This record gives sequence, structure tokens and C-alpha cells, in this order.
Amino acid sequence: EAQVTQNPRYLITVTGKKLTVTCSQNMNHEYMSWYRQDPGLGLRQIYYSMNVEVTDKGDVPEGYKVSRKEKRNFPLILESPSPNQTSLYFCASSLWGGSNQPQHFGDGTRLSIL
Amino acid sequence: ILNVEQSPQSLHVQEGDSTNFTCSFPSSNFYALHWYRWETAKSPEALFVMTLNGDEKKKGRISATLNTKEGYSYLYIKGSQPEDSATYLCALYYNTGNQFYFGTGTSLTVIP
Repeated sequence: EAQVTQNPRYLITVTGKKLTVTCSQNMNHEYMSWYRQDPGLGLRQIYYSMNVEVTDKGDVPEGYKVSRKEKRNFPLILESPSPNQTSLYFCASSLWGGSNQPQHFGDGTRLSIL
Repeated sequence: ILNVEQSPQSLHVQEGDSTNFTCSFPSSNFYALHWYRWETAKSPEALFVMTLNGDEKKKGRISATLNTKEGYSYLYIKGSQPEDSATYLCALYYNTGNQFYFGTGTSLTVIP
């Protein structure tokens, strides 16, 4: 089954404790992206990747890191999480470039940073 | 950061009613517009991808139009059903970069 898989689905942690949210897709998609969803705001893009080893900042990259060492995986790393990073996070992928190809979203990861 | 506006913010309609909502966006450097449907506790699912001025797309009872010159798109739902209850998101992609810009969505509730 074609899918984008995120883990964990839920996480409660404390300020400063490094964490990684994994994202994997099995559709051989080139474009992958991370978003955060906060109340009253639209989905905001954190980082995106056009292909392996190519990553770029979105609108809200501060406090996050990503890597794209393999085509299928695009982990989101919070080196020193803070309470303002409490949010619902989505990983998404599309066949290429993101322009005329629809994005496929993972099920989301709800992070709470205490 | 581009400003993508969706209206109304929320909508309650009776089963069987037809409804429509709007996505407004800056028209300069437009490349593509996506519509997504997002049900509670699920992930957004793609409805349409539109790129050309005057584009019209249809999937069952749902259709969409696009006006890139004036910067808006309409989503129509004909004969709303309770299962249409969801938040409908639009996302814009411009040829000045490789980012998506999402609106805050229109929350639709269809009352049986």
C-alpha cells in the first residue's frame, strides 16, 4: 500500500531533550516536506527536499533540522526542543517538484514539549 | 510569507444543500493550486491540482474552478452529505521557489 509513515504518532517530552520524528514513503517520490499545524494558522512548511541530499528551508525552520540521505526517508530533528514547538506535525511527499503533483500526507505526529 | 485567504472560516449547511467556498491568493508568479480535504483525526487528502487559468475540475459532487488572473479559486459541493464534513484546504505553489503556502481552511459541517 502506497503510504507516508510517520513515527511516533504522539510524544510528550521535556525542554532540551533531543528528539527525532521519522518519515518514510514507499512511492519513490522525489519531493518531501515537513509541516506544522497550529490553531488558527494554516499548515506552515518547515523544510522541504527536492531530492536526495537537497534540502531547503520553508517558512518556519528555526529550531529544526532535516536530512535526506535516502530517497524514502526524511527525518525531522529537534536538537533542543522548546515549548513553542508543541504542535501537530505532518510529513508529506509528492512525485516530483511539488508543483502539479498532489502531496500525500502522513498521519501526523502530535508533539508536546513541557 | 504569502497570504492565502480562505472564506468563510466555517460553514454549517443542511444535508442536500449545495455550497461553495473561496481561496484567494496573490496572482503574481502563480504556478499551481491544490485543494485538500482534511477530516478530523485523519491526514489531508488531495482533491484537485489546478494549474491553468479557467481550469475546472470535478470529482463526483465536488468541483473547483480557477482564476489565476484575479487570484481566486472556488470549491463547490453539490447536494452536501454528512460525509462531506471536513476542513477544506487550499495550497499555493509559485514559480519563485519550491514551497507551498496553505490557507487556514474552511471547516464544513453538514447537518443530517
